[in-house]
Amino acid sequence: AQTVTQSQPEMSVQEAETVTLSCTYDTSESNYYLFWYKQPPSRQMILVIRQEAYKQQNATENRFSVNFQKAAKSFSLKISDSQLGDTAMYFCAFMKPPGGADGLTFGKGTHLIIQP
Amino acid sequence: GAVVSQHPSRVICKSGTSVKIECRSLDFQATTMFWYRQFPKQSLMLMATSNEGSKATYEQGVEKDKFLINHASLTLSTLTVTSAHPEDSSFYICSARDQGTGNTIYFGEGSWLTVV
Repeated sequence: AQTVTQSQPEMSVQEAETVTLSCTYDTSESNYYLFWYKQPPSRQMILVIRQEAYKQQNATENRFSVNFQKAAKSFSLKISDSQLGDTAMYFCAFMKPPGGADGLTFGKGTHLIIQP
Repeated sequence: GAVVSQHPSRVICKSGTSVKIECRSLDFQATTMFWYRQFPKQSLMLMATSNEGSKATYEQGVEKDKFLINHASLTLSTLTVTSAHPEDSSFYICSARDQGTGNTIYFGEGSWLTVV
């Protein structure tokens, strides 16, 4: 079974600063998907960024980028120029390749607070 | 982008009654949908994987007879909580896999269930 670990229950930074959320995972699979989801107070799960394990290049989406270290099984999320609207729970998630019945395996989440 | 709609967003039911939650993929066909449960300030816990035209696959510890899942079409999965009790009160979220966009998983808005 896969496990996902987020070691930072809560983080707080000032607006416009850069923040990095950590995530490690454990799996015996060689090919898989990794995701970061944002959950604001509305509880809607919003996809922030995804990474395919077979791609060496780190995924980037505007102010959001990841540092994917496959050998170390690490998948951190960097948020640049943080904004008040970035305040939310952030979940790291793992998914096996398609064809399997498994859904996403989530970490426990990191509560990110952006201070004005 | 792809949209997954979940209904109702909030429901209150009496102890001992059953309640049905619907999850629809609005602009893509989803052969696989997933149901999660989220307790306050906790992560999402996968309850079951719903496969169109076949029986759902339940995670260990989830009562099949209590949480009935039906995936009768490629755009609709339903979760029925039978003989609900106050301890079933929780936030339930569905998600659907979109094979057309590289197996990205999109989430519904979630449903708050309160059993009184």
